Amino acid sequence: ETGVTQTPRHLVMGMTNKKSLKCEQHLGHNAMYWYKQSAKKPLELMFVYNFKEQTENNSVPSRFSPECPNSSHLFLHLHTLQPEDSALYLCASSQVSDSGNTIYFGEGSWLTVV
Amino acid sequence: GESVGLHLPTLSVQEGDNSIINCAYSNSASDYFIWYKQESGKGPQFIIDIRSNMDKRQGQRVTVLLNKTVKHLSLQIAATQPGDSAVYFCAEILNQAGTALIFGKGTTLSVSS
Repeated sequence: ETGVTQTPRHLVMGMTNKKSLKCEQHLGHNAMYWYKQSAKKPLELMFVYNFKEQTENNSVPSRFSPECPNSSHLFLHLHTLQPEDSALYLCASSQVSDSGNTIYFGEGSWLTVV
Repeated sequence: GESVGLHLPTLSVQEGDNSIINCAYSNSASDYFIWYKQESGKGPQFIIDIRSNMDKRQGQRVTVLLNKTVKHLSLQIAATQPGDSAVYFCAEILNQAGTALIFGKGTTLSVSS
């Protein structure tokens, strides 16, 4: 149990579907993140929310739409995805401070686009 | 551009041996580094971190060494156990806000009994 909970753990969706990934952190952190992990590639930072404000968007296609309603919840809305978007999507949270920023990850949501 | 890389994609050791996993980074302005362990089917798990004003930091059975001159980071695992088998990632903080954590490709550590 990492304190970061992701649902669903597995999702299969068609290219015309709309679905959402949900993340909740129970650690009292002030920053939340979405990362994408594909086979044979480094983890890719997608979005960062710091105090509910989006501070990073690493050139992510608009078919991925994040939402951070409060500092404990983070969503990733998915629409008209492509098969190459199939990957493990990891949510993470951290407490950003002058002394450091250790990021804690959830177990991930396995997404398959068919 | 900035990137974090690992020297070897795989490392195989015998149980009880010491393991050394290496990482090279390219952003000389980075001041915070973290090692993560990822077991199959799980998210990355924090192992140990180090700031750029330190050369060495020790945890339980793990030591991280930082050589800023050659921009090199290493993770040493003492008395490696089968439970240490996993993929290990190094990561660096890339921005001043401290929120852009960039990962290397990972080294798969296999421990045989």
